Amino acid sequence: SQQGEEDPQALSIQEGENATMNCSYKTSINNLQWYRQNSGRGLVHLILIRSNEREKHSGRLRVTLDTSKKSSSLLITASRAADTASYFCAPTSDTGRRALTFGSGTRLQVQP
Amino acid sequence: DAGVIQSPRHEVTEMGQEVTLRCKPISGHDYLFWYRQTMMRGLELLIYFNNNVPIDDSGMPEDRFSAKMPNASFSTLKIQPSEPRDSAVYFCASSLFGSGATSYNEQFFGPGTRLTVL
Repeated sequence: SQQGEEDPQALSIQEGENATMNCSYKTSINNLQWYRQNSGRGLVHLILIRSNEREKHSGRLRVTLDTSKKSSSLLITASRAADTASYFCAPTSDTGRRALTFGSGTRLQVQP
Repeated sequence: DAGVIQSPRHEVTEMGQEVTLRCKPISGHDYLFWYRQTMMRGLELLIYFNNNVPIDDSGMPEDRFSAKMPNASFSTLKIQPSEPRDSAVYFCASSLFGSGATSYNEQFFGPGTRLTVL
């Protein structure tokens, strides 16, 4: 597995606004996953996008993937206070090491 | 399914004591992972198993750490002797790998064990 680097490190927005966070990686991948971690809890899988997909939606989440730029973005629309959490990306390959390697994440604060 | 179960949820111990963390993966999953999270180092992999066999233990800090998976439904992470720098949140995760075009490796994390070594 390889590590993704999330950007920005921290993001503070008002409830109802959209939040966008980005992920960059370095080598070829088969898919990329996004996880959320609420304070003091385990990570929760949000969405997986495959290398042959450019965009994917799940509820208020929209993920894009640009394999030519080796980057992905996660958009949370109409944010809620409950979206306050850290978000991590995990680029993965179908071969090689199965474990995930996490960066520092993006800490999102949604102000009510 | 109850998800990944970890115990204890909190552990406070004194330096030099043995600590054992436990994990029950999701039934049917064939991979089990142990991660550690600290403010300084973030979330890092310690070891992972495939079908109860350790595959990669390169993240295990030193000989004081050991992990076992005696069967598909149980794993332990042991620290002996424990040190204050071992204080962290330890997560267990499990996953099921498919094959071919539909393979993926979504991981399901447990709630973690918060370890404090005094």
